[in-house]
Amino acid sequence: QVQLVQSGAEVKKPGASVKVSCKASGYTFTTYDINWVRQAAGQGLEWMGWMNPNSGNTGYAQKFQGRISMTRNSSISTAYMELSSLKFDDTAIYYCTADSGDYVGNWFDPWGQGTLVTVSS
Amino acid sequence: DIQMTQSPSSLSASVGDRVTITCRASQSINTYLNWYQQKPGKAPNLLIYAASTLQSGVPSRFSGSGSGTHFSLTISSLQPEDFATYYCQESYNIPRTFGPGTKVEVK
Repeated sequence: QVQLVQSGAEVKKPGASVKVSCKASGYTFTTYDINWVRQAAGQGLEWMGWMNPNSGNTGYAQKFQGRISMTRNSSISTAYMELSSLKFDDTAIYYCTADSGDYVGNWFDPWGQGTLVTVSS
Repeated sequence: DIQMTQSPSSLSASVGDRVTITCRASQSINTYLNWYQQKPGKAPNLLIYAASTLQSGVPSRFSGSGSGTHFSLTISSLQPEDFATYYCQESYNIPRTFGPGTKVEVK
């Protein structure tokens, strides 16, 4: 079945970087853009950016410009999201999701299981 | 950026109730509107895309409607497994903005 499996929980100090992986299976990896969405405890969903696994093209939310990078290794069907200069309020669950869709629009399905990133001194 | 709002932010309902959640966009987004359900500790799950198309496997008690700037999600007869938080999301533009969510709680 189509699924995205993410790497495990991380604990980082302020100012450090974190790199989360997202491995796709059940479909051709280059078919769908990979998006990243995060969710702080008790809060809503925050879109972070997208990456086209075929071209490597990316687009980031303005809030994260300059400290986010999305990359991929197509040989192992894996996307990566790296966030640098971590702050306490970057503590959140980070999700990858495939931007599916057709001529009627785009939608996020499936989703990875989420990766908890905790920023703590 | 397009701003998305939802109302109410939370509601209390009983099993069997008909529940409607509304979502508004700050500008016209045609029917580029999706709905997701999220249960505690789980990733969001796609319910409806393109404003009114039910995702495969989603029960028919869920329905979506609207276009332009006004949208709604209706659960015709609330079931115990439907107590969750619901998010709308526009796919008209980048960034792909989500609404703030509506929490459906047990009355």
